[in-house]
Amino acid sequence: ETGVTQSPTHLIKTRGQQVTLRCSSQSGHNTVSWYQQALGQGPQFIFQYYREEENGRGNFPPRFSGLQFPNYSSELNVNALELDDSALYLCASSLLGGTHTDTQYFGPGTRLTVL
Amino acid sequence: AQTVTQSQPEMSVQEAETVTLSCTYDTSENNYYLFWYKQPPSRQMILVIRQEAYKQQNATENRFSVNFQKAAKSFSLKISDSQLGDTAMYFCAFMKPSNAGGTSYGKLTFGQGTILTVHP
Repeated sequence: ETGVTQSPTHLIKTRGQQVTLRCSSQSGHNTVSWYQQALGQGPQFIFQYYREEENGRGNFPPRFSGLQFPNYSSELNVNALELDDSALYLCASSLLGGTHTDTQYFGPGTRLTVL
Repeated sequence: AQTVTQSQPEMSVQEAETVTLSCTYDTSENNYYLFWYKQPPSRQMILVIRQEAYKQQNATENRFSVNFQKAAKSFSLKISDSQLGDTAMYFCAFMKPSNAGGTSYGKLTFGQGTILTVHP
């Protein structure tokens, strides 16, 4: 069973730039959720994708957008980067509709630094 | 909106001893899930244990067990026979079950975390 993977591991960008983070879900999972974790804090929910559609969104501005592909992998895009976007971005995959539905399994994260 | 509170910013325990981490939550829902995740310095968030609110029996996973008090909205984690590898930040999290079609989605609401250090 392949776990959740994320790329890249680290990323440094400057204010105003755009960034794309990638996530491959665990095999057999159909749902991907993205979280932002500031240093020393609990993760905050950004959005969730199910069958290539956005299935829920947290309190993040529209410059945070995403995609899910037919193989259930996903991208998180952030436009017009701000200094406060510096954080660990976590991707989690889950299976909607199976046993133990909704249990989310996390990838190792992408550390984004905005200068 | 749901909230999750972890009132212990830091805890420490000696190797082989038992420690309990506290968590309280606030919700008007009757059906939900509760989780404990650990995040070691390597930063990967790892599932420790899951509890369904409709189950009266407390969940256990090897050395990890919970004390789920639904009426009190309390969900504590007990770690027995603590090991050095248990050193990590521990997060309590709440989730309302999701359904396909978007009327309810499974987002995790996390507490602030408790840093647990296991000393040799």
